[in-house]
Amino acid sequence: DAKTTQPPSMDCAEGRAANLPCNHSTISGNEYVYWYRQIHSQGPQYIIHGLKNNETNEMASLIITEDRKSSTLILPHATLRDTAVYYCIVRPGGGANNLFFGTGTRLTVIP
Amino acid sequence: GAGVSQSPRYKVAKRGQDVALRCDPISGHVSLFWYQQALGQGPEFLTYFQNEAQLDKSGLPSDRFFAERPEGSVSTLKIQRTQQEDSAVYLCASSFPGHGTDTQYFGPGTRLTVL
Repeated sequence: DAKTTQPPSMDCAEGRAANLPCNHSTISGNEYVYWYRQIHSQGPQYIIHGLKNNETNEMASLIITEDRKSSTLILPHATLRDTAVYYCIVRPGGGANNLFFGTGTRLTVIP
Repeated sequence: GAGVSQSPRYKVAKRGQDVALRCDPISGHVSLFWYQQALGQGPEFLTYFQNEAQLDKSGLPSDRFFAERPEGSVSTLKIQRTQQEDSAVYLCASSFPGHGTDTQYFGPGTRLTVL
């Protein structure tokens, strides 16, 4: 069953910030928010994850609302190589659990 | 370091043939997952191993699908008597469960085409 809702597609100008939204209104207290992306003909690539605090790494920032019902993935300076399908996934902690991908958001970075 | 590798990258089979797809996980990763990705869809879970034990095979679509990981490292996904609906990309992921939760790292996938 789908636990997240994402827009099917978005465009972003090269060099600008890309803000990808995700709704997860039924998230449980022990569930993490994960983001993966899949560039054409490649396997999914891990981007970032968080529980309730905002997170930042070398690839992106993850902003989670205080009620945890939604989040935003931010790519600060989008490049053409960031064109991909981005998946927002919620999954419980406590060990290995399979990922439910859904259909994701197709981000197109425009020159 | 070396990531997850899969072979072959492309496989064409005639309907009714058996195929075997190989996954080499990241060294030391305890958990191994197989996913199936149909054209235009997100990956869907097939099965999960912890070391050599297959702990979840709830996603395998039929008894023609069989997976093994006999020594807790390399895994093979076997599909018997392939059908056209088996055409998809088969993805393998591995992880090392840590505190809280684990991150799965994916291989490039094997694209299976059944004619």
